[in-house]
Parts: sequence; structure tokens; C-alpha cells
Amino acid sequence: ETGVTQTPRHLVMGMTNKKSLKCEQHLGHNAMYWYKQSAKKPLELMFVYSLEERVENNSVPSRFSPECPNSSHLFLHLHTLQPEDSALYLCASSQDSRNTEAFFGQGTRLTVV
Amino acid sequence: DQQVKQNSPSLSVQEGRISILNCDYTNSMFDYFLWYKKYPAEGPTFLISISSIKDKNEDGRFTVFLNKSAKHLSLHIVPSQPGDSAVYFCAAGSWYGQNFVFGPGTRLSVLP
Repeated sequence: ETGVTQTPRHLVMGMTNKKSLKCEQHLGHNAMYWYKQSAKKPLELMFVYSLEERVENNSVPSRFSPECPNSSHLFLHLHTLQPEDSALYLCASSQDSRNTEAFFGQGTRLTVV
Repeated sequence: DQQVKQNSPSLSVQEGRISILNCDYTNSMFDYFLWYKKYPAEGPTFLISISSIKDKNEDGRFTVFLNKSAKHLSLHIVPSQPGDSAVYFCAAGSWYGQNFVFGPGTRLSVLP
């Protein structure tokens, strides 16, 4: 596979569940990102990892917990989410942390019930 | 308040004609701008960028124009093709930063 791959593509979870979103990039990039796109709202940056270290956290609630075990993999651990967290979650990567040309995955459509 | 605005939610253009997508920003500190294209069920794809030291950047059928004084940029697609039908997002940020602010997108439909 090439590019940025996200799994699962769709996820329905209850408010008391714990789930994880997975992202994998095969581009040899050094930076990875999580974005959120809610209905009728622009893409919002959630987390930035550069060389496996978190460099930015845009005031995201603690019920979202990222993990970057290596430069090719990125996870977003979810627990006790709210219905308003339902959104499209997109992973992206870029050559370096300047994020001036990001490659996006197809996204995970999350529904919290 | 939206820092990056795309005031046209949708645009329809005839095949072969020019498509012009507009984007306005409010933060004068932004010095680097990006355009992404998104097809349904796919993630956004990088299209073209421009730095504030330039007022024009061209890549094939795609040209981005930047008017810093007006805090306005536009993407021109000439000639438009049906395969260009997608949602186009502009994003603004800093050459040194990671956090590019995205606009809400404009849905372009190119009619055969």
C-alpha cells in the first residue's frame, strides 16, 4: 500500500466505549497529524507529531488521546466521547513538521450514540 | 470568527471554461497559503501553494493569485474539466508553523 491509510473507515460507538483510530503512512514522512471535520465546519487541527514527539495540541479534550509509537503509525484513542464528537477524523502526514503539503488519509467517520 | 472564508459554498462551470474559486483571510500574519481538492469518500489532496513573497503561482491548468493588501487569494482552473468537480479548500498559515487554518470549502461542479 502507498500513501496514508486509516482504519476503520466507519465507527459507531457508545458514550461509555473505548475505541482507537489507526493511521499508517508509507511515505517516509516525519510528521503526522490528526484533524477533525464536523458537519458544516472547516477542518480543525487536533494534534501534531514530529519525529514521534507531540509538538502541538490544539486544546483538545482529554477524552481524545493520541499515540505515535513510530514515524509511520499514529493512533487516536477515544474514551467517554459525547455525541457532539461525531465527525470525520482525518489523519495526515508531511515530509517535515511545516505541514505545507500534507497527504491525507480517507478518514474515519465516527458516530457517537 | 472564521479566519479563512470561502464565501461561495458552490460553483458551477461549463467544461472548457475558467473556474475561479475565491478565499479571504483575516490574519495579516499568514504568509503561506494552500489549496486542497477533495473528492467524496476521499481525503483532501494537495493542489498548489503560494508564499506571500509571490503574487502568482502556476502549475499546469491551476494558477493561484494572492492579493496581500486585500487579504484575498483565488484559484483559477483553465480549462475546467469534469474531473475537476470536487470540493476545494483553501488554507492559510505560517511558513514555519504546523497549524494551517482551513476554509469551509467550495463545491465545484464542471458540467459537460
